[in-house]
Amino acid sequence: AQTVTQSQPEMSVQEAETVTLSCTYDTSENNYYLFWYKQPPSRQMILVIRQEAYKQQNATENRFSVNFQKAAKSFSLKISDSQLGDTAMYFCAFMKHGVFTSGTYKYIFGTGTRLKVLA
Amino acid sequence: DAEITQSPRHKITETGRQVTLACHQTWNHNNMFWYRQDLGHGLRLIHYSYGVHDTNKGEVSDGYSVSRSNTEDLPLTLESAASSQTSVYFCASSEWGQGYEQYFGPGTRLTVT
Repeated sequence: AQTVTQSQPEMSVQEAETVTLSCTYDTSENNYYLFWYKQPPSRQMILVIRQEAYKQQNATENRFSVNFQKAAKSFSLKISDSQLGDTAMYFCAFMKHGVFTSGTYKYIFGTGTRLKVLA
Repeated sequence: DAEITQSPRHKITETGRQVTLACHQTWNHNNMFWYRQDLGHGLRLIHYSYGVHDTNKGEVSDGYSVSRSNTEDLPLTLESAASSQTSVYFCASSEWGQGYEQYFGPGTRLTVT
């Protein structure tokens, strides 16, 4: 069974600095997706960034980038130039590719990292 | 703008009562999901649906049921509420071929006393 581990329950960073959130996963699948979701204090969760396992290039979305190490099963999120609005709970998630055709849902979340950006 | 809404946002109920949480999406998505969020557990899947009249059990489905009679709605029913079901419940939707992103509702905080 797939598992997702976020070993940092809480982190803090000074405004304008860079922070990296860790995520590791365990799977025997070769084709899958990885995601980082952000849950601000208002609670509505939104997608930050997505990585397809078959792509070698690390995904980037503005100030957010990932370091995807497939062999090590590691998927860390780097936030550059941190802003107060980045304060949130961040969840790493795994999804088996082709899940809808297989009929078995495999969207697994980690336990989250609470990030606080300090002014 | 398309959205996904949940009601009520807060609910207090007593042990043994039946409770239904509503989820309504205007994305016209085929896929809908219910999660519960608990400290130390992240989000865990309760039930999901890939379309009208389709429902499937997730990893923590005991004590919960869903039905899908149209595209827009997936209500979650707690047949006989238990204190262990005190949690925050999130509904989400997604669509095929759109990168598998899930769109989440604002959540319902349920307290069972």
